[in-house]
Amino acid sequence: ETGVTQTPRHLVMGMTNKKSLKCEQHLGHNAMYWYKQSAKKPLELMFVYSLEERVENNSVPSRFSPECPNSSHLFLHLHTLQPEDSALYLCASSQKGPSTDTQYFGPGTRLTVL
Amino acid sequence: GNSVTQMEGPVTLSEEAFLTINCTYTATGYPSLFWYVQYPGEGLQLLLKATKADDKGSNKGFEATYRKETTSFHLEKGSVQVSDSAVYFCALSENTGGFKTIFGAGTRLFVKA
Repeated sequence: ETGVTQTPRHLVMGMTNKKSLKCEQHLGHNAMYWYKQSAKKPLELMFVYSLEERVENNSVPSRFSPECPNSSHLFLHLHTLQPEDSALYLCASSQKGPSTDTQYFGPGTRLTVL
Repeated sequence: GNSVTQMEGPVTLSEEAFLTINCTYTATGYPSLFWYVQYPGEGLQLLLKATKADDKGSNKGFEATYRKETTSFHLEKGSVQVSDSAVYFCALSENTGGFKTIFGAGTRLFVKA
């Protein structure tokens, strides 16, 4: 148990659906991250929030929309996804945001887009 | 730009064998270096880290030494167990106040009883 929880753990959705992934951290951290992990590809950083402000957005398609309502919660809203978006989506948090800090990961949401 | 290269897997070993997973990096400045491990069905978790040259990170019998002269951070363990079967990621982050950690592609380790 790393102190970072993600729900749901598994999600199957059609290309026309709208769904949201949720992440919650119980560590008192003030930076949170979304990563995409696809088979045989390096981990891809999608978004970073520090003190609830988005500070990194790595050219992610607009069909992915993050939301950070407070320092403990992070959402990833999904709409009109493509089959190639099927992957494991990992949430992480860190203490101060600067990249020297250890990141604590949740277990991930396994997303399948039909 | 910054990058991390680690040996391709999978690596298959018998229990009690010696493990080395190679990792080299390119970076401007003086990065911090990490090894993360991902067990089946879980997210990544920090295994060890080193923040400056010649530092040695260690945890659970695993070790890695920050070698600036060879830009390497190889992971070693003297005697692996079946429970060490997982995917291992080498990573770096610059000490410049940014938010990006660069991860290697991961190396899958299988340990046979």
